[in-house]
Amino acid sequence: DTEVTQTPKHLVMGMTNKKSLKCEQHMGHRAMYWYKQKAKKPPELMFVYSYEKLSINESVPSRFSPECPNSSLLNLHLHALQPEDSALYLCASSQVGLKRDGGGYTFGSGTRLTVV
Amino acid sequence: GDSVTQMEGPVTLSEEAFLTINCTYTATGYPSLFWYVQYPGEGLQLLLKATKADDKGSNKGFEATYRKETTSFHLEKGSVQVSDSAVYFCALIKTSGSRLTFGEGTQLTVNP
Repeated sequence: DTEVTQTPKHLVMGMTNKKSLKCEQHMGHRAMYWYKQKAKKPPELMFVYSYEKLSINESVPSRFSPECPNSSLLNLHLHALQPEDSALYLCASSQVGLKRDGGGYTFGSGTRLTVV
Repeated sequence: GDSVTQMEGPVTLSEEAFLTINCTYTATGYPSLFWYVQYPGEGLQLLLKATKADDKGSNKGFEATYRKETTSFHLEKGSVQVSDSAVYFCALIKTSGSRLTFGEGTQLTVNP
């Protein structure tokens, strides 16, 4: 299995809703990432988990709450979002700690989130 | 800090034309370099990679050579197809599990 699977593919939520994005990989990767991508822009790093521990939080607002229940799963819990949070949310995974890792990151196809 | 600079787009070509998308980087040490492609409505796919100086990455007719002397990783294809229309991102990483630094992306449109 060489894929990162994200669900749902599309999500529309109100500003008072609580929802979760899910990400799963079975490649044995021990680093997992959440990225946010606005139209016509490169992805922006939000969070990095390494060996199931949060290692990087790019000063993301607390209305985004990541969780890594095990080495294969990554969640992003959403609460009280704003319309400007509408974007494509990408999950990725990679190996950890190898210099010159030839594999790079493997990205999922993303969740397109619309906040109304 | 580390950075990646891509040629500004968008780029519009006719089918079978030659493609070059320029990418230069600034980084200490020896980063690994990547080209990712994003088709409309999809996530990012790894197109090719190179991990050390003078390495050539290739895939689907695309090529890029890691040039440390010019800190460049230009993407080339000899004959583009309509299906190559997408956004192309150049990126670098120092160590797995750390930050993947992207360029701004280049929109490529290939017309029949």
